[in-house]
Amino acid sequence: QVQLVESGGGVVQPGRSLRLSCAASGFTFSSYGMHWVRQAPGKGLEWAAVISYDGSDKFYTDSVKGRFTISRDNSKNMLYLQMNSLRAEDSAVYYCAKDRRNHLFRGALNYYGMDVWGQGTTVTVSS
Amino acid sequence: DIQMTQSPSSLSASVGDRVTITCQASQDISNYLNWYQQKPGKAPKLLIYDASTLETGVPSRFSGSGSGTDFSFTISSLQPEDFATYYCQQYDTLPPLTFGPGTKVDIK
Repeated sequence: QVQLVESGGGVVQPGRSLRLSCAASGFTFSSYGMHWVRQAPGKGLEWAAVISYDGSDKFYTDSVKGRFTISRDNSKNMLYLQMNSLRAEDSAVYYCAKDRRNHLFRGALNYYGMDVWGQGTTVTVSS
Repeated sequence: DIQMTQSPSSLSASVGDRVTITCQASQDISNYLNWYQQKPGKAPKLLIYDASTLETGVPSRFSGSGSGTDFSFTISSLQPEDFATYYCQQYDTLPPLTFGPGTKVDIK
């Protein structure tokens, strides 16, 4: 079955770095855009970043732009989020999620939201 | 950025009740809207896409409607497993891809 498993979360001091990983299985990973979505404790969902199926396009929300980098390795079915210069407000559960449409879909848009989510990995930024 | 609002922010209802949540976009997003359900400690689950299309395997008591800027989500007969938080999300324009603030449905 389609599965996403995140790892790499933990407790980190402000200003430090952390890399999250997401292992994908059960679908043709190289055909789908992939997202990172985060949720601060007790708060709503916040989209963080997306990467196209081949890694050629990347987009970020303003609050992480310049500090976070999304990447993927299609040969390993892996998605990554490199997080630098971490701040307390980056503390959250981070979910990786698969885009609902593959790149062959001839629609008006490039991304269609998320249909499969991982279980999340928790990042706590604290001194 | 497209802003999404939801109302109410929370509601209390009984099993069997009909529940409706509204979602409004700050600009026209056509029908590019998803609805998600999230239970405590769990990842969100896609229920409805393209504003009104039921995701495979989702019970038919869930439905969605709307286009442009105004959308609604309805549970026709609330079941015990439906107590959760529901989010709308627009995918017309990114970045950013934006979620509504959520509506928590709990037991009356």
